[in-house]
Amino acid sequence: DTGVSQDPRHKITKRGQNVTFRCDPISEHNRLYWYRQTLGQGPEFLTYFQNEAQLEKSRLLSDRFSAERPKGSFSTLEIQRTEQGDSAMYLCASSLWTGGINGDEQYFGPGTRLTVT
Amino acid sequence: LAKTTQPISMDSYEGQEVNITCSHNNIATNDYITWYQQFPSQGPRFIIQGYKTKVTNEVASLFIPADRKSSTLSLPRVSLSDTAVYYCLVGNSGYSTLTFGKGTMLLVSP
Repeated sequence: DTGVSQDPRHKITKRGQNVTFRCDPISEHNRLYWYRQTLGQGPEFLTYFQNEAQLEKSRLLSDRFSAERPKGSFSTLEIQRTEQGDSAMYLCASSLWTGGINGDEQYFGPGTRLTVT
Repeated sequence: LAKTTQPISMDSYEGQEVNITCSHNNIATNDYITWYQQFPSQGPRFIIQGYKTKVTNEVASLFIPADRKSSTLSLPRVSLSDTAVYYCLVGNSGYSTLTFGKGTMLLVSP
């Protein structure tokens, strides 16, 4: 399978703990995105990378959240001092940008469901 | 960023054609229109994308009028497995912040 993969698929943690999620994009894709989705809502943008550079961060991404894509391949999203409000599905997506202004076709992974107790 | 408006829910029966319309009055010149499908506990799946007129692929058609202020996703002969949430988005690769709304929950019944 050459799609976007995420690990773990499910994570249960206690409030105050740190958690880290991993995303492996489609190999030739140079853009990688993180989204958060809560029940009944559409995905909310968190941040995105082009290669290893983090180009945009949403104001939803508080200082407890950090994302990295050290070699322009896989990415990690860390949440420190988790709160119950962090409970959500965390989605990763990737796309191939070849320059210019055109449509951006993003491919999503299955998500990591985080439950903070 | 252009915002979109689409119906909260739609009902259909197997074998029917379903048309979901999305309005995006403030679409920018460089924006494309993209539709995603999402099943419960899965990530969204790209369905179709277009800039103007009509685009067709193996699963859907996308109709975009000349003023581009709306678009219609057409699903021919839906089946039970088409029951999902459908999201309409506008944007382009110049800024990759996708803004999802609540989408349209399509329920297909036997």
